[in-house]
Amino acid sequence: SSELTQDPAVSVALGQTVRITCQGDSLRSYYASWYQQKPGQAPVLVIYGKNTRPSGIPDRFSGSSSGDTASLTITGAQAQDEADYYCVSRDSSGNPFVVFGGGTKLTVL
Amino acid sequence: EAQLVESGGGLVQPGGSLRLSCAASGFTFSSYWMHWVRQAPGKGLVWVSRIKSDGSSRSYADSVKGRFTISRDNAKNTLYLQMNSLRAEDTAVYYCARDSDNSGWGLFDYWGQGTLVTVSS
Repeated sequence: SSELTQDPAVSVALGQTVRITCQGDSLRSYYASWYQQKPGQAPVLVIYGKNTRPSGIPDRFSGSSSGDTASLTITGAQAQDEADYYCVSRDSSGNPFVVFGGGTKLTVL
Repeated sequence: EAQLVESGGGLVQPGGSLRLSCAASGFTFSSYWMHWVRQAPGKGLVWVSRIKSDGSSRSYADSVKGRFTISRDNAKNTLYLQMNSLRAEDTAVYYCARDSDNSGWGLFDYWGQGTLVTVSS
């Protein structure tokens, strides 16, 4: 089965821009979706498709993709954006699997 | 507003069985693929299983294939996960999630609050 690789931890200064990446073979063919999870809470969808935000997600969140890498960008990070972020895509090997990245812990300094 | 509520978690001995339920409300349950996703303590999210809206297609992660069975009762708006031959490594919070992608490839727009399964003697 395919894998999605994320950096375990990323930090950003308050108000600055941060990019969280997700790398995997499946991303050459399929878009990733991105989820934010805060401690003790269920995940929340923040970006899907080419660059679509669900209702209620601030426009400081955006997505992009190039080759085998998908990116989630937060422009003007806020303290409340401190959370774990996960990318999701499908298996690229023909298996009927959904695949999660390992997650990135975002710290807002 | 869509809502998902899991139940059925608890403490079970290795080799034991447990059935999780996920009660859905606020949307047409029978129109959506549904998934189970789990998260071991302090670890990341891991996909477990999915089932098509009419129950005609099911998929499992290799780690649970042959031991877990996903099912649904569209008349009762409920998703299930029957877990047999449980192992310590199955200890996790189990979430049910609705898939808003008609092909069932993991566009999770609603999640339950999760139910904790602990496998220990």
